[in-house]
Amino acid sequence: QVQLVESGGGVVQPGGSLRLSCAASGFAFSTYGMHWVRQAPGKGLEWVAVISYEGSKQYYGASVKGRFVISRDSSRNTLYLEMDSLRVEDTAVYYCAKDRAPYSGTCIGHWGQGTLVTVSS
Amino acid sequence: EIVMTQSPATLSVSPGERATLSCRASQSVSDKLAWYQQNPGQAPRLLIYDASTRATGIPARFSGSGSETEFTLTISSLQSEDFAVYYCQHYNNWPLTFGGGTKVEIK
Repeated sequence: QVQLVESGGGVVQPGGSLRLSCAASGFAFSTYGMHWVRQAPGKGLEWVAVISYEGSKQYYGASVKGRFVISRDSSRNTLYLEMDSLRVEDTAVYYCAKDRAPYSGTCIGHWGQGTLVTVSS
Repeated sequence: EIVMTQSPATLSVSPGERATLSCRASQSVSDKLAWYQQNPGQAPRLLIYDASTRATGIPARFSGSGSETEFTLTISSLQSEDFAVYYCQHYNNWPLTFGGGTKVEIK
């Protein structure tokens, strides 16, 4: 079955950096677009970024563009999110998620359980 | 970016009753609209995609309708496990955006 396991969350000071990882299993990782979505405490869902199945295209939400970088290593079945210049408002649970269908941009079909990032001095 | 607006913010419904949730897009998203359910402390789960297609394993009491800018999620007869928060999301172009959510609570 599909498994997405996030790691790398923790407490970081404003202006700091953090790298999240997502280990994927149970599906053909190299054929699916992959996303990061976040949820601030007590708030709704905010889409963060997507990377195409082959890794050649990346798109970002306005609030993270220029600060976050999404990448993937299909040899390791792992998705990454490099976060720089972190702000207090980046505090959230970060979910790794996969496209519903292979080879084409579509909606999110499966979610990991999330990892908490706290930006605080 | 396309703004997704959900209404109402909170819906109070008795078990067994029907619930109707609305989602409006600030511009046309064609039928590229998904609905997700999120229970407290859990990750979201895909319910509906392409505006009206139920995802694998989703009960028939969940149905979606609409196109362009107006969409509806209907739960025909609420079960205890259906009391949760529901989000709509468009995937017509980048960036993807979610609505603010509708909380369905027990009346």
